[in-house]
Amino acid sequence: DGGITQSPKYLFRKEGQNVTLSCEQNLNHDAMYWYRQDPGQGLRLIYYSQIVNDFQKGDIAEGYSVSREKKESFPLTVTSAQKNPTAFYLCASSIRTSGGVQFFGPGTRLTVL
Amino acid sequence: QQQVKQSPQSLIVQKGGISIINCAYENTAFDYFPWYQQFPGKGPALLIAIRPDVSEKKEGRFTISFNKSAKQFSLHIMDSQPGDSATYFCAASENTGFQKLVFGTGTRLLVSP
Repeated sequence: DGGITQSPKYLFRKEGQNVTLSCEQNLNHDAMYWYRQDPGQGLRLIYYSQIVNDFQKGDIAEGYSVSREKKESFPLTVTSAQKNPTAFYLCASSIRTSGGVQFFGPGTRLTVL
Repeated sequence: QQQVKQSPQSLIVQKGGISIINCAYENTAFDYFPWYQQFPGKGPALLIAIRPDVSEKKEGRFTISFNKSAKQFSLHIMDSQPGDSATYFCAASENTGFQKLVFGTGTRLLVSP
């Protein structure tokens, strides 16, 4: 089955710890994205990558880092510098020339204890 | 900052009724306007989309109405069903080299039986 997988579905972290969220796609898409979703605030773009070994900051990149070493994978690290990391994190992908048509994964809910 | 303003924040409609969600934008460079549907605990999925060269697009019970001069677009769900209960996001993107989506804040729709 083609699609996007995110793991884990639920993640708990202690304050001061870094944590990495996984995102894998087998849609052969060049572009991948990370969003953060909070109640009443919609989806806010954290980072995006148009192609392997290249990525750009989105609107709320502070406290986050990413890598894009493989076309299929775009992991997101939530660092201890992120002041309010508890949220629902969504990964998406698209073909490079059609960023408006994005396919989303099922999300990871991160809770900082 | 580019924004898409969405209203209402929440909506309750009786089964068989019409659900209407409105969005407005300022950036005249936007030229692609999708709507995404999200069920609880899941990632959003593309529902329907429109480009500004048409004023209306219909797919089944879902219709987008687009008013280019007013910079507004809306989603109409005809004969609303309990299975339509979800959060709906409008979005917009520019037709520049790489298209990023700008999302509205979402509307939580509840269709009562």
